[in-house]
Amino acid sequence: GAGVSQSPSNKVTEKGKDVELRCDPISGHTALYWYRQSLGQGLEFLIYFQGNSAPDKSGLPSDRFSAERTGGSVSTLTIQRTQQEDSAVYLCASSKGQGFKEYFGPGTRLTVT
Amino acid sequence: AQTVTQSQPEMSVQEAETVTLSCTYDTSESDYYLFWYKQPPSRQMILVIRQEAYKQQNATENRFSVNFQKAAKSFSLKISDSQLGDAAMYFCAYSLVEGSGGSNYKLTFGKGTLLTVNP
Repeated sequence: GAGVSQSPSNKVTEKGKDVELRCDPISGHTALYWYRQSLGQGLEFLIYFQGNSAPDKSGLPSDRFSAERTGGSVSTLTIQRTQQEDSAVYLCASSKGQGFKEYFGPGTRLTVT
Repeated sequence: AQTVTQSQPEMSVQEAETVTLSCTYDTSESDYYLFWYKQPPSRQMILVIRQEAYKQQNATENRFSVNFQKAAKSFSLKISDSQLGDAAMYFCAYSLVEGSGGSNYKLTFGKGTLLTVNP
């Protein structure tokens, strides 16, 4: 694909349910980032992957949040026992590596009811 | 911790006119990157321009240019000959160049400035 893709585009879930958000980075991009964009907090860093390892998970807001990356490609962000404050747009970005331009996906809008 | 401040929540400009968006930041590092990203209603974040702190020359990309004042920790974006397609949310962002833990290039964003372009 030409760019970073994310699925689903929109997700509505009930409080307490688990959700999985998917990111497909640009082919060959070794670095992958997850960010969260919410009305109250703006854009926040969540986690960074280099290959399949996550050297920086400092932005994950609680232990309900986890992420993995397999094959140096697709990444999944999982939110367990969703809360209303988890409602936000979750953005994924990828780059060739540290110091290279980050390309963003269109995001997943998560609404927790 | 690094912080990025955009003091203008909203700005408007007439088509074909020039507008400047403000950004200040706080860091104790001497080497870093600064960015302006554009986010239209489609939510897709698009890199507009990037400045490396060790370069004194202001970055320019077609109608977009920056005024980088390192001592003042200021990084404003000038849009010349504004077009209707420039209407979007603009975010100023910062990242380190080097550090530990592999987290060097995560972006720290300002709150954004919503730019309206009037025909």
